[in-house]
Amino acid sequence: VQLQESGPGLVKPSQTLSLTCSVSGGSVSSGGYYWNWIRQHPGKGLEWIGYIYYSGSTDYNPSLRSRLSISVDTSTNQFSLKLRSVSAADTAVYYCASSIVGASARFDYWGQGTLVTVSS
Amino acid sequence: DIQMTQSPSSLSASVGDKVTITCQASQDIRNYLNWYRQKPGKAPEVLIYDASNLATGVPSRFSGSGSGTDFTFTISSLQAEDIATYYCQQYENLFTFGPGTKVNIK
Repeated sequence: VQLQESGPGLVKPSQTLSLTCSVSGGSVSSGGYYWNWIRQHPGKGLEWIGYIYYSGSTDYNPSLRSRLSISVDTSTNQFSLKLRSVSAADTAVYYCASSIVGASARFDYWGQGTLVTVSS
Repeated sequence: DIQMTQSPSSLSASVGDKVTITCQASQDIRNYLNWYRQKPGKAPEVLIYDASNLATGVPSRFSGSGSGTDFTFTISSLQAEDIATYYCQQYENLFTFGPGTKVNIK
């Protein structure tokens, strides 16, 4: 399974950050996996953002829930992230990753990451 | 929210040394704990899952132990390619990563 993030590298403050993750070698429609977004602020640790299941069910990091939306498109084998009202604090490398549902959950496949800078 | 702490935050060791990193959860997470290695400029990769299980293809010099709130990650013989930052991560309640331990070669 391979994942690849895509989207603008620069977003203006107060606007919406939009990223897409394209999945190959596997299907977002297959059960047993969550499709996640994770970010890493420059020089800092990892922060889980949220996930979506193929059915459309989601769970989000409580600290981001009010600004966040994750969706899945089974026809294109992609899932997407929208983060509203961004500020400089949202500048980070954004990763998409898969995780096994249920027991032994772990992030086993990752994209290479994409840097998003929030600046005017 | 479950908070994760790690110690030390960084360490330097020689090739061949045994390296130990500890991770503590703010509440009981049973064995729902994974360990990742992140090399500079790369995405993290899972090394240990469920506290003590070696992920597929991971060298046997890596190991993990613990349950409840206290966990340990060990590299039995440090190699040059192990220069990286190591993170623990819980999945008892959503997902939370520890702050990381940066490992350097002395």
